[in-house]
Amino acid sequence: AQRVTQPEKLLSVFKGAPVELKCNYSYSGSPELFWYVQYSRQRLQLLLRHISRESIKGFTADLNKGETSFHLKKPFAQEEDSAMYYCALMRPGGGNKLTFGTGTQLKVEL
Amino acid sequence: DAGVIQSPRHEVTEMGQEVTLRCKPISGHDYLFWYRQTMMRGLELLIYFNNNVPIDDSGMPEDRFSAKMPNASFSTLKIQPSEPRDSAVYFCASSLVIGELFFGEGSRLTVL
Repeated sequence: AQRVTQPEKLLSVFKGAPVELKCNYSYSGSPELFWYVQYSRQRLQLLLRHISRESIKGFTADLNKGETSFHLKKPFAQEEDSAMYYCALMRPGGGNKLTFGTGTQLKVEL
Repeated sequence: DAGVIQSPRHEVTEMGQEVTLRCKPISGHDYLFWYRQTMMRGLELLIYFNNNVPIDDSGMPEDRFSAKMPNASFSTLKIQPSEPRDSAVYFCASSLVIGELFFGEGSRLTVL
């Protein structure tokens, strides 16, 4: 069975510092990976997906199949980036079923 | 569009009582999901539907949990009888594009 691991429950950085939210997965094939974000008092929403290869709100994530990782990165953290971030995996042919990690709370301090 | 609508937002009940959570998906979305969120386990998929048909209910904890989708605009998640360990936030989400889920605001359930 597939599994998504986010090792940090809480990550605290200063404004302007680089951010890296870690995500590792266990799956033998070629999954699709996602990052979802929940800002305070807002709904959980899709931030980015690896196949789109986009930068959203300055965030990027690269799928590393060798290390089975999909870390979320941003070079300069902003206060508005403070939120809960979830990594998610969908296996090929798995319908529309997403398996989520346990989430990392990012706190950007001034 | 108001997005995915869930009710109630908060529910406090006593052990043994029946709990019914409701969800109205975004119009036109053909997938509907029920997730449970706890501090320990994060977001767990309970069940999902495609075109009102349950596709995967492997995440439903036990027979006390049941979910229905009688039509494209309404779904329920029922817990009977409820137990304190069922206390969690229950999210409903809907989807049209594979992988892009739109979540409701959640229903926070407390079972005393």
